[in-house]
Amino acid sequence: DAGVTQSPTHLIKTRGQQVTLRCSPKSGHDTVSWYQQALGQGPQFIFQYYEEEERQRGNFPDRFSGHQFPNYSSELNVNALLLGDSALYLCASSFGTGMNTEAFFGQGTRLTVV
Amino acid sequence: AQSVTQLDSHVSVSEGTPVLLRCNYSSSYSPSLFWYVQHPNKGLQLLLKYTSAATLVKGINGFEAEFKKSETSFHLTKPSAHMSDAAEYFCVVSSYTGGFKTIFGAGTRLFVKA
Repeated sequence: DAGVTQSPTHLIKTRGQQVTLRCSPKSGHDTVSWYQQALGQGPQFIFQYYEEEERQRGNFPDRFSGHQFPNYSSELNVNALLLGDSALYLCASSFGTGMNTEAFFGQGTRLTVV
Repeated sequence: AQSVTQLDSHVSVSEGTPVLLRCNYSSSYSPSLFWYVQHPNKGLQLLLKYTSAATLVKGINGFEAEFKKSETSFHLTKPSAHMSDAAEYFCVVSSYTGGFKTIFGAGTRLFVKA
């Protein structure tokens, strides 16, 4: 079992550009959540996808959008990048959307905006 | 409102001595509480979770936590620290408060001295 895999592992973008991050969930999982972890801080919830729809969203602007595919994999898109978007982006997968459900995390994508 | 506060940003212990990582939470509704560990260059891993069953929760690697509603605390403990326990630890609260919300604490860095 490969667990949760994210790509790429590292990425450097210029302010104003757009970026797409990818996540493959753990085998058997149908729900994907995305988090932003700034340096020295805890992860912040961006949004959650289930059945190819955004089910929950944190306090992030519309520049952050996502998608879930029929095979449960997911993408996170960020438009009009700002320097403050530099962070580790974590993907977590689970079976179902309940708040008691254990989430399995990938190793993250380190995004640097210059 | 929902929040989680990890009372120590850094904790340093000697190998073989007890570990105490403190977490206080605030939630309008009955929450689920989790502790995750993050080793360098590795994904977040679930240590344990509380979901309104037994108030003393046992997790992996000898860790346990006690849910104290009167004190709104969920402190993480381990009787004897091991060098491999050195990592970042996150307390997480999850509940349905105007929608599903998951909030991570800022983290506690645990140092273990030989």
